[in-house]
Amino acid sequence: KQEVTQIPAALSVPEGENLVLNCSFTDSAIYNLQWFRQDPGKGLTSLLLIQSSQREQTSGRLNASLDKSSGRSTLYIAASQPGDSATYLCAVNNDMRFGAGTRLTVKP
Amino acid sequence: EPEVTQTPSHQVTQMGQEVILRCVPISNHLYFYWYRQILGQKVEFLVSFYNNEISEKSEIFDDQFSVERPDGSNFTLKIRSTKLEDSAMYFCASSDWHRSGGNQPQHFGDGTRLSIL
Repeated sequence: KQEVTQIPAALSVPEGENLVLNCSFTDSAIYNLQWFRQDPGKGLTSLLLIQSSQREQTSGRLNASLDKSSGRSTLYIAASQPGDSATYLCAVNNDMRFGAGTRLTVKP
Repeated sequence: EPEVTQTPSHQVTQMGQEVILRCVPISNHLYFYWYRQILGQKVEFLVSFYNNEISEKSEIFDDQFSVERPDGSNFTLKIRSTKLEDSAMYFCASSDWHRSGGNQPQHFGDGTRLSIL
């Protein structure tokens, strides 16, 4: 059974810092991995989708990498802003197994 | 930008009653999903739906649950006889598929908060 773990559970940084969020999974036989953000009381907003054949995806200040063999993905956020404050979730597909998320706070 | 819409935003129901949660996926999407998130816990996959039938379901999706696409736009989740532990946020999602890129990102609605009394 696929297990997805996200470290750290919470992270607080000053505005402008670059940061890395981690996602690990136990079964490397995945179709793809997706990163989301979730704001309080809201649904999930898709950030990046990495197919199993890809190593990374970039969108603006976000870069996600995937290393299937080691069961890891990272989400890199450059030049963090207070508006980036949210919970960040990774989900591994075959069956969209989610991690518990990293709650990010960016202080002005 | 097109979005997934869910109604109602909050549903309060007596234990044992049936409840139907409604979703309008993005119009050209082919895959539809339901998830739930119990307060303070992980998002959990319930079911995926493609070509008018269930393609995958989790162990949570037992005989109390059913899904339907009654027309070309709506996608519903029915819980037949609700229990206290069904209280959660329920999210609907949809996605597309491209021949070149495979599965495309899932887009989520804002959810329905289901409270069972």
